[in-house]
Amino acid sequence: AQTVTQSQPEMSVQEAETVTLSCTYDTSESDYYLFWYKQPPSRQMILVIRQEAYKQQNATENRFSVNFQKAAKSFSLKISDSQLGDAAMYFCAYGLNFGNEKLTFGTGTRLTIIP
Amino acid sequence: DTAVSQTPKYLVTQMGNDKSIKCEQNLGHDTMYWYKQDSKKFLKIMFSYNNKELIINETVPNRFSPKSPDKAHLNLHINSLELGDSAVYFCASSQDVSQGLSNQPQHFGDGTRLSIL
Repeated sequence: AQTVTQSQPEMSVQEAETVTLSCTYDTSESDYYLFWYKQPPSRQMILVIRQEAYKQQNATENRFSVNFQKAAKSFSLKISDSQLGDAAMYFCAYGLNFGNEKLTFGTGTRLTIIP
Repeated sequence: DTAVSQTPKYLVTQMGNDKSIKCEQNLGHDTMYWYKQDSKKFLKIMFSYNNKELIINETVPNRFSPKSPDKAHLNLHINSLELGDSAVYFCASSQDVSQGLSNQPQHFGDGTRLSIL
């Protein structure tokens, strides 16, 4: 069974600084996707970024980038130039790349932005 | 122009009652899901349907019965509600991977907070 682990229940960062959220996962599959979702206090689940396992190049979306280490099964999220609106719960998630597979989520990291 | 919409957003009810949560998506997706987020914010899959057919049922008590009248709707009916059912329930949808597309991200509704008294 696939598992996703987020070892940092809470993180904080000064506004405009950079923060990295950690995620590790366990799988025996080779073809899968990894995602970071953001859940602000409004409760919405918002897709931040995704990474295909077969791609070596790390995904980037504006201020958000990932460090994907397939051999180490590590998938960290880097947020640059942190903004107050980045404050939220961040969930790492894993999904297989065939069928209509469920997402397996980590336990989340609560990110606080310090003004 | 909401993509995945759930109703109601909040549901407060007594233990033992039966209630339903509705979900609709206007994205043309083939697959829909129900997830449960507990008080510790842990999100876990409950069900998924592809073109009205059940494909995932993750050991959910049979008091929970999903119903998909068409591929744009996946409703969740819960019988004999228990205190442990208190949670936020999220509906999500995605495009069918078997259509030759790579894994499409799941789009989530805003969640329904269910509180059992």
